[in-house]
Amino acid sequence: DSGVTQTPKHLITATGQRVTLRCSPRSGDLSVYWYQQSLDQGLQFLIQYYNGEERAKGNILERFSAQQFPDLHSELNLSSLELGDSALYFCASSVDGQHSPLHFGNGTRLTVT
Amino acid sequence: AQTVTQSQPEMSVQEAETVTLSCTYDTSESDYYLFWYKQPPSRQMILVIRQEAYKQQNATENRFSVNFQKAAKSFSLKISDSQLGDAAMYFCAYRSARSSGAGSYQLTFGKGTKLSVIP
Repeated sequence: DSGVTQTPKHLITATGQRVTLRCSPRSGDLSVYWYQQSLDQGLQFLIQYYNGEERAKGNILERFSAQQFPDLHSELNLSSLELGDSALYFCASSVDGQHSPLHFGNGTRLTVT
Repeated sequence: AQTVTQSQPEMSVQEAETVTLSCTYDTSESDYYLFWYKQPPSRQMILVIRQEAYKQQNATENRFSVNFQKAAKSFSLKISDSQLGDAAMYFCAYRSARSSGAGSYQLTFGKGTKLSVIP
């Protein structure tokens, strides 16, 4: 168990809908990262937060947004969902957001029908 | 931009035997980290081993070891005495040791190698 908690484990929704994925980092970790894993694109970095502030952006679509709250949990919001958004979404956390290793959660499997 | 290539989509190994998974990367940086992550059917990404580019000594973790060839930009993973529990997807990943922009820690992953262990 990595200590990173993601909910829900599975999510099935229709095109055009909006969903929220939640992540609780390991105790003591200040930085949270979101990754998308799909069959065709592999593992893609989406966005990183450190202590509530956005640190870096990767291949995140404008339809997607995220935030990290004062209690350090993070949410990834996906809107106007398309079939191609179906993927496994991982959250990872690390202590300092730079040199310490990333610890991944078990992911949320999103299926858009 | 850095790229990571895993040229073996699938591999298999007999239980108790040794297998080597290949990884090459492309970077213009001299200071970076390399990782191997394991993803079993449970989906969780588990850190197997980590190598700092400035260290000449190859990293080892129990039955897992790497062959890091900096000049060749090669980073292979050797699994000794393979066990059934080693069956998983294995991902090679790269991270710069210098922050980019506001200070980030972005892992760039390869496409993965699916390892099967034959009893």
